[in-house]
Order: sequence, then C-alpha cells, then structure tokens
Amino acid sequence: DGGITQSPKYLFRKEGQNVTLSCEQNLNHDAMYWYRQDPGQGLRLIYYSQIVNDFQKGDIAEGYSVSREKKESFPLTVTSAQKNPTAFYLCASKDSFQRGPQHFGDGTRLSIL
Amino acid sequence: SQQGEEDPQALSIQEGENATMNCSYKTSINNLQWYRQNSGRGLVHLILIRSNEREKHSGRLRVTLDTSKKSSSLLITASRAADTASYFCATDSSGSARQLTFGSGTQLTVLP
Repeated sequence: DGGITQSPKYLFRKEGQNVTLSCEQNLNHDAMYWYRQDPGQGLRLIYYSQIVNDFQKGDIAEGYSVSREKKESFPLTVTSAQKNPTAFYLCASKDSFQRGPQHFGDGTRLSIL
Repeated sequence: SQQGEEDPQALSIQEGENATMNCSYKTSINNLQWYRQNSGRGLVHLILIRSNEREKHSGRLRVTLDTSKKSSSLLITASRAADTASYFCATDSSGSARQLTFGSGTQLTVLP
C-alpha cells in the first residue's frame, strides 16, 4: 500500500541533544512537508521541499534542519537550538504539480526528558 | 501564519444531528480543503473546493465556499460517534509555492 511512514512514534530528547525524525513515502510525490502541531492548535509549516536536493524554510524553521537526498525521504532534525521542541510533528507529501491534497503520516510525538 | 480560523473551536452534538463548522480566511485562494484528524493521528483529506465552485458534496459531507466573504462551511449530516475528531480547513493561496495554510481546527464530539 502506498503511504507515508513516520518513525519513531514517540521520541524523547535530552537537553543539548539533536534528534532526527524519519519520514519516508512511496507515493512517488515530489513535494514533502514538515509541520509542527501544538496541543489544541493547527499545523505550522517548518520546512518544505519541492524537489530532491532543494528545500525551503517555512514559518517556524529556527532550531530545525532538513535534508532531501532522495525523493522518498525527508528527515527532520530537531537541534539543541530549538528550546521548546515538545510537540507533535507531522510529515506530508504531495504531487507538486497538482493543486491537490496533501497526504499525511501518523506523526511523531517528541517530548523532553 | 494561520490564515484559516475555524468556528466554533469545539462542538458537541448527539448522534444523528447535523454538525456545521465554519472557516474564515484572509487572502485570495486557489482552493480550500477540509481535513479530519483523529486523536494522535495524522490528517486525512476530506474534500477540496476550488475558488470558482460554490458548493460540493461527498457522501454525508457538504462544503460551501463564499469567496466574497472569504469563508467556507463544512456540514456533516446524520453524524455518528465515529465522526468524533478535529476538523481543519486549509487554504491553497494563489501564487504560493503550493503550500497549504491551516486553521486552528474545530473539535467535534458526537455523543452516542
């Protein structure tokens, strides 16, 4: 079945530590996105990528980094510079040439130890 | 930035009743989309309405769009307990890099 897989489902970060969230898709989509969701709120865009080896900052990129070396993969690193990383992180993908819906993974919940 | 704002923030109804959620936005759009999120899960796309459309139906869902008022509504008819979830509108704005801007959501609870 085609879809988006995020791992791990739960992740704990110690102070000063970088952690990486995985996002893999087999939908053959060009565009991929990372969102942050805080309790009771909507989604805020962290980074997006329209094509391999290219990515752009979203509204809240500070303290985060990404890479897009393969079409299927768009990992997100939450760096120690992100002082309030506790949130639910969602990855999505879309056929970038269509103005259509985004397809979402089931998220990673990141907490501070 | 949050372009879409949903109203109400929370809605509680009895099974079998209709549920209406509203979304307002600020800039011109190419299309508006509605998504559903079950607790602790990702978002699932429900329906997309283009800027030149006024109404669209999908099963028990009915979406309207009023571009002059920059608003949309989602109606769920004959609601079921399984419809309990958060519902988000998202706007695809003209000229954007194919990004979506999400509202803050409506938490719908359908009581059995």
